[in-house]
Formats: sequence, structure tokens, C-alpha cells
Amino acid sequence: NAGVTQTPKFQVLKTGQSMTLQCAQDMNHEYMSWYRQDPGMGLRLIHYSVGAGITDQGEVPNGYNVSRSTTEDFPLRLLSAAPSQTSVYFCASSKLNYGYTFGSGTRLTVV
Amino acid sequence: AQTVTQSQPEMSVQEAETVTLSCTYDTSENNYYLFWYKQPPSRQMILVIRQEAYKQQNATENRFSVNFQKAAKSFSLKISDSQLGDTAMYFCAFMKHPIQGAQKLVFGQGTRLTINP
Repeated sequence: NAGVTQTPKFQVLKTGQSMTLQCAQDMNHEYMSWYRQDPGMGLRLIHYSVGAGITDQGEVPNGYNVSRSTTEDFPLRLLSAAPSQTSVYFCASSKLNYGYTFGSGTRLTVV
Repeated sequence: AQTVTQSQPEMSVQEAETVTLSCTYDTSENNYYLFWYKQPPSRQMILVIRQEAYKQQNATENRFSVNFQKAAKSFSLKISDSQLGDTAMYFCAFMKHPIQGAQKLVFGQGTRLTINP
């Protein structure tokens, strides 16, 4: 099993550009989430999903969109990148009442 | 809203020593889960240990154990016989029992642990 796969691992964007961070899991987990990690602030929840077709906002959703058309995939879209979105992004998946398994992260820099 | 506080930004111990990382949390929930995650320099987030709030017995995983004090809302991680590979950032996390499908982690700010040879 590959677990949770995130692509790309690194990305540099110009302000105003859009992009999609890809996330796929092969563990048949119902729950998937996106977090961002900033220095001194731990990880903060952006969006989450409780199953295919069902998504909701987390703590810091502004500037991001998600969709979940299949159990396996949960892409995160940056609509118009801003320097404040420079961060490390983690995708994670989980089954009910268990801890999340995380991907290896994407380091995004917006210039 | 739940909050998680890790009061030790950095800690450093010698190899083979025992070290305890502190975590406190604030919640009005009675049923929830607590976790410790390890993030080595590789950036990968690794689940170290999981505790269910309704279980009084403290969770253990090899050299890792917790001291869960529900009334005090305290959840410390003890690492015994520390090894160089334990050098990492450690995050405490809270998850309330899923209701209506929500299963969300709330993280503390992290403790940077260095194991010295």
C-alpha cells in the first residue's frame, strides 16, 4: 500500500496564479483532510471530507476549494495564490475513530 | 472550541535518558481521542500513540507511553531510553468523538525535541 500520496512535493507560484494540490489514498478511508503548517502555529485544518461527495470547511478555508468525487482522491485548489498561502500543506486520511495517516507534504512558496 | 497547548517549545536530552513532553487541552466534551504525532526532519507526520478518553488505562507503544489525566485535561508523552532517531518535532492533537460525521484534529504548537549523543 502506498498510503497517502501527495503531489507535487515542492511548488513555486506567482501571486494570482491558480493550482491544484493532488492527494490520493489507497486505504479505503472515509475521512480525508487538508492541513497547512506554518512556523509556530502547528497544523491548521483547511477543509475536510467525510466521504465521497461530502466536504466542509475547517479553520482556515479562505482561498481554497476542495471536491471529493471518489473515495480515493481529495484535491485542494488554490484559486488565486497569495503570499499568505506560502506554507507546507498536508493531506491526511483516516477511518472512523482512528488517527489520521498523513502524506509527505507539499512545500508551497508564493512570490 | 477545543484548544491544545504545548508549553515546551524546545527540549534537549542525552541519548538513553527519559524525557517527558507536556500537553494540556481544553474541552467540554466527555468523549474524545488524544494523539501524539512525531515530525522528523523529513517532514513526514507519524502517529506515535493514541488514547481514548473513556479508557482509564494509559496507552503504551514500546518506548513511548502517555500519562493521561482526564480531570486535569493533561496528556503527557514519556519517551524511555531515548534514541538519536527520536529527534523530531512532536505534536499533541485532540479529536472529539465524531458526531454527524465530523472527525477533525486540533493540534498544539509542537515541541522540538533534540536527542544528543
